Amino acid sequence: EADIYQTPRYLVIGTGKKITLECSQTMGHDKMYWYQQDPGMELHLIHYSYGVNSTEKGDLSSESTVSRIRTEHFPLTLESARPSHTSQYLCASSAYREEVGTEAFFGQGTRLTVV
Amino acid sequence: AQRVTQPEKLLSVFKGAPVELKCNYSYSGSPELFWYVQYSRQRLQLLLRHISRESIKGFTADLNKGETSFHLKKPFAQEEDSAMYYCALRGWGKFQFGAGTQVVVTP
Repeated sequence: EADIYQTPRYLVIGTGKKITLECSQTMGHDKMYWYQQDPGMELHLIHYSYGVNSTEKGDLSSESTVSRIRTEHFPLTLESARPSHTSQYLCASSAYREEVGTEAFFGQGTRLTVV
Repeated sequence: AQRVTQPEKLLSVFKGAPVELKCNYSYSGSPELFWYVQYSRQRLQLLLRHISRESIKGFTADLNKGETSFHLKKPFAQEEDSAMYYCALRGWGKFQFGAGTQVVVTP
């Protein structure tokens, strides 16, 4: 089934650890995004990609990095996690369809807690 | 720069009452506007988009370019409408989201 998957759903990790949040989509979309969302707050775009080997930083400065080696895969990495990285991370993908325009599809999110 | 403003963090309404969620935007070009909804323990999903000019689950939204607004309305709120609602703008290939409005519908 075409969908967008994020793993893990929840992660509690110690300060200084390296972590990778996984995001995969089986919808064949070119564009993918990472958003950071604190509870009750707006979504902040931290990274986006228009296709393979294309990555850009978003509006909110982030210490994380991303890669896009395959169309379907857009992992986000934190080299050294800190308590300030505690947040929910949402992955999304989008594509343009002639009949309806563009729509963004979201994964379930990863809730990260750094202790 | 593009920006989306949702002035209300929380809207509490009674079942059957009208509900209106405000959204204002700033964007120099022709934007695409959307409303996304997140029900409890579910992922963020599209509710409606301005280019479709459709009604979804009784909700409608009209793009007013003069006032740069895209308010979401429903004449009779239902308990199942309780959720978090986000206004979004797509410009320069990116989706920009507002801070969200929590809607609570009480019986």
